[in-house]
Amino acid sequence: QLQLQESGPGLVKPSETLSLTCTVSGASISSSTSYWGWIRQPPGRGLEWIGYVFHSGDTYYNPSLKSRVTISVDTSKNQFSLRLTSMTAADTAVYYCARSPSGSDWYFDVWGRGTLVTVSS
Amino acid sequence: QLVLTQSPSASASLGASVKLTCTLSSGRSSYAIAWHQQRPEEGPRCLMKVSSDGSYRKGHGIPDRFSGSSSGAERYLTISSLQSEDEADYYCQTWDTGIVVFGGGTSLTVL
Repeated sequence: QLQLQESGPGLVKPSETLSLTCTVSGASISSSTSYWGWIRQPPGRGLEWIGYVFHSGDTYYNPSLKSRVTISVDTSKNQFSLRLTSMTAADTAVYYCARSPSGSDWYFDVWGRGTLVTVSS
Repeated sequence: QLVLTQSPSASASLGASVKLTCTLSSGRSSYAIAWHQQRPEEGPRCLMKVSSDGSYRKGHGIPDRFSGSSSGAERYLTISSLQSEDEADYYCQTWDTGIVVFGGGTSLTVL
């Protein structure tokens, strides 16, 4: 059974860089068709797509975050990671990792439980 | 511009049926969408993918009470025999090459 688990700091200072990792179990991240994504949800608000990575390293980012986001994959550890620079209070959110089954079906069919990241000094 | 529109709230009685609507922006009536459920204090889970022809594919373990359909630019989620555990936020999601979009979500209250 495919499972995803986010990990990383729960508190980040303003202007610092957030680094989160998603560990995939129950399937190989190197699957020929799956895409791996990050989504976030500010408290009391809706879902916002951050970006995707394919096992080849190809990436797609939300244009509104593109200048600050890097998503990478480590197939040897079966993990993928999110890096978001210049954090502000507006980046306080629950961050989810998720899988999409293929490049033609970019909907998230399996989600992690999420991790709350608070930006505060 | 790829946009999804959802009503902010809906309500229905225990045991009744409810139909939630997600509307695609102009010119996007051929797009598929996915429905996600988010119960209070939980993460989202995928309910199903709904295609423009009205066919739908449910996720593993999703009860038969949940079904999908389409008409033009509208995509629907129907929940029959409502249970208290169905009280949740429901988000639709669509995509195009290089971009993913979520609707604003519908908060469903089971009376």
